[in-house]
Amino acid sequence: DAGVTQSPTHLIKTRGQQVTLRCSPISGHKSVSWYQQVLGQGPQFIFQYYEKEERGRGNFPDRFSARQFPNYSSELNVNALLLGDSALYLCASSPSPPADNTEAFFGQGTRLTVV
Amino acid sequence: AQSVSQHNHHVILSEAASLELGCNYSYGGTVNLFWYVQYPGQHLQLLLKYFSGDPLVKGIKGFEAEFIKSKFSFNLRKPSVQWSDTAEYFCAVGYNKLIFGAGTRLAVHP
Repeated sequence: DAGVTQSPTHLIKTRGQQVTLRCSPISGHKSVSWYQQVLGQGPQFIFQYYEKEERGRGNFPDRFSARQFPNYSSELNVNALLLGDSALYLCASSPSPPADNTEAFFGQGTRLTVV
Repeated sequence: AQSVSQHNHHVILSEAASLELGCNYSYGGTVNLFWYVQYPGQHLQLLLKYFSGDPLVKGIKGFEAEFIKSKFSFNLRKPSVQWSDTAEYFCAVGYNKLIFGAGTRLAVHP
């Protein structure tokens, strides 16, 4: 069975540019969350979507946005990139609504480097 | 504010040694508790989870964790580590979103 897939795996962008990261959840999972993992730190929550609706947002600037499509895949967009946005971006999917007891399954992540 | 604290950032052990990684959390309400592991070059994988019930939770690969509500702790243990346990370990708390600790890098020497 395919796990959570993310694309691309690596990306290099210039300051000020915009980037779109993509995530396909495990088949049957309707909830997708995004996390940012800076080197040496644990993942930080950015967004959660369930059934195409935003269900949670972390403490990130408005330059970060996301959406979920009818097939439950998701995109994370970051505008006006800063050097500090360089990180591993993780997508996680889960089968249940956010209020239920459930675990999150993580993808391999997209390594974004801003130069 | 909700937070997770992992006491050890780097741990070095010899094979067959016992392991205990500390995790304390600050969270006002019902807690779901997790330990995730990230092996070199691989994605985050769930080791074990606690939602309710028996506070001693057994996970994969011989790991276990104990939820002590009065101490706001969820420490991870393994009686005898192997070289293949070399990885980074993350404690996480969450109900609607996951809050992770900074992680503990474990190196096991043969």
